[in-house]
Formats: sequence, C-alpha cells, structure tokens
Amino acid sequence: NAGVTQTPKFRVLKTGQSMTLLCAQDMNHEYMYWYRQDPGMGLRLIHYSVGEGTTAKGEVPDGYNVSRLKKQNFLLGLESAAPSQTSVYFCASSYSGNQPQHFGDGTRLSIL
Amino acid sequence: DQQVKQNSPSLSVQEGRISILNCDYTNSMFDYFLWYKKYPAEGPTFLISISSIKDKNEDGRFTVFLNKSAKHLSLHIVPSQPGDSAVYFCAASVGTSYDKVIFGPGTSLSVIP
Repeated sequence: NAGVTQTPKFRVLKTGQSMTLLCAQDMNHEYMYWYRQDPGMGLRLIHYSVGEGTTAKGEVPDGYNVSRLKKQNFLLGLESAAPSQTSVYFCASSYSGNQPQHFGDGTRLSIL
Repeated sequence: DQQVKQNSPSLSVQEGRISILNCDYTNSMFDYFLWYKKYPAEGPTFLISISSIKDKNEDGRFTVFLNKSAKHLSLHIVPSQPGDSAVYFCAASVGTSYDKVIFGPGTSLSVIP
C-alpha cells in the first residue's frame, strides 16, 4: 500500500526559482492538506482541499499556490522561492474532516 | 503565541518503564485532541485521540489523559519499548475541524534498552 506519496523527497532551489511539489494518494480520500514543519514548531497548515477542484487557505498560505485537478493529486507550487520557505513539507489526506490524517514522508526543501 | 505547547523537547526512558509525554493548550475552545508519532525521514502517523467528553482513552500500551480544567493532556506508554523511540506530536482542534488542527512542536522520546 503506497498511501500518500510525495515527490521529490529533497530539493535545493535558488532564490527566485519556482517549483511544484506533488502529492498523490491512493486511498480515495476527499480531503488533502499541505503542511510545513520548521525547527521548534509544530506542523502548520499551508493550504487544504475538501475535494477535487477545491482549495482553501490554511494558517500560512502566503507565497504558495495549490491545485487539485484530480482527486488523487494535490500540488503545491512556489512561484518565486524565498529562503524563508526552507522547510520540510508534508502532505496529508483524510477520508473526511473528522478522521485523523495520513501523512506522506515529507519533502525537504532548501532555498539558497 | 503557540496554542499547543510541549515543553519538553526530549525525554529518555528505560525500556519497560512508563513514558509520560505532556501537552498543554491555551485555547479553551479546543475539544478534540490527537497524538501523532513520527520516525525520522517518515511522516507522522496517528496514534490515539480523545474527545473532551472523556478524560481517558486507552489503546493497548497507549493511554491519553485529559484534564480540561488545567488545559493539559498527557500520553502514557506502558511498558516503553525501544521501537517507541520517535517524536510525538500533540495536536488539538475545535470539534473535528480539518482546517483548524493545531500541532505542538513535538517531544523526542528515546527508550533506552
């Protein structure tokens, strides 16, 4: 069982570059989420989606965009990367809003 | 200001003994709490949850206690095993709102054989 798969696992970018992180889930979950984790802090919600074609802002959405064109995929985009976006990014999914979330293994992103 | 606090960044326990991980919260509206466990290079995995209508929930070796008046919850692991060595995140939400889950910074547990 793949569960939640994040691509890539590691990436180094230069300031100003753009990139897209891909999250794919094979559990037919409606809800998907993107978090970032920084040292000494808990996971913070960037954006989330409650179904195909929907997206909404979380706690720290600035500098990021997302798309959910297919139910199984949730993309996180950085249009112009900044050093403050250096972090570990986690994608998660859940069947519904009142179920615990299943997480991917994370993407470690460094912005130089 | 962090709404969910885990004031012990790390904890070491002997194998077979009890591990107690603590979590404090400031928002009195929180009424649903979860614990996640995370191994290095992996994502968090759900461990156990508790609703504010209960003060205890048990699942095998894991028990979560909730003290609403003190805005405090704790996770007890008995007996502790080396495989329990991981980072434990406490999380809280208002109801089961998927977009309002607030995570604590985590406590790194080391179980020494």
